[in-house]
Amino acid sequence: LAKTTQPISMDSYEGQEVNITCSHNNIATNDYITWYQQFPSQGPRFIIQGYKTKVTNEVASLFIPADRKSSTLSLPRVSLSDTAVYYCLVGDLHYKLSFGAGTTVTVRA
Amino acid sequence: DTEVTQTPKHLVMGMTNKKSLKCEQHMGHRAMYWYKQKAKKPPELMFVYSYEKLSINESVPSRFSPECPNSSLLNLHLHALQPEDSALYLCASSPGQGFDEQYFGPGTRLTVT
Repeated sequence: LAKTTQPISMDSYEGQEVNITCSHNNIATNDYITWYQQFPSQGPRFIIQGYKTKVTNEVASLFIPADRKSSTLSLPRVSLSDTAVYYCLVGDLHYKLSFGAGTTVTVRA
Repeated sequence: DTEVTQTPKHLVMGMTNKKSLKCEQHMGHRAMYWYKQKAKKPPELMFVYSYEKLSINESVPSRFSPECPNSSLLNLHLHALQPEDSALYLCASSPGQGFDEQYFGPGTRLTVT
């Protein structure tokens, strides 16, 4: 299983861009990288997934360098409602899944 | 319908009780998961059912017993639990592959007294 490491917390202000980097040095060839957002007393919610290079959707971007040993989730122009815990998950086809410890992002006005 | 439902929302049980948690999805997903989450910790994978067969058991104690009656339903039977088993129990589903996007339910908050 790939071991994933994330910062414990990050602070930001409304309107700023937030970048969270997840380290996964021993990622395997068949592993994908997925990010989830979780609010208190709720289940995690899918944000974005990638294998390599850059992926963008309507809420975030995911940057994965060529060696795939890390990935960076980018949240553009955050608002107060983006205050949550963000998890990096590395997983393969066969349900070998490894969640990072989570990054608590606090957005202030 | 992109929702995973879980019942009950809250459960308090004694160490000698037997109870069950239920999870349901109608998205046609073929993989279903049970996770345990303690406060300020990431979800911890317990079991995975793939195409109604148990594919993953992460060395979970036998006092937790999963069951997948059909492709839409997932149960977790609880018996003789310990206070340290108190946690949020999350169910999730995904289309089929291990790296697919998972849809999580809201969880059952379990307290063992």
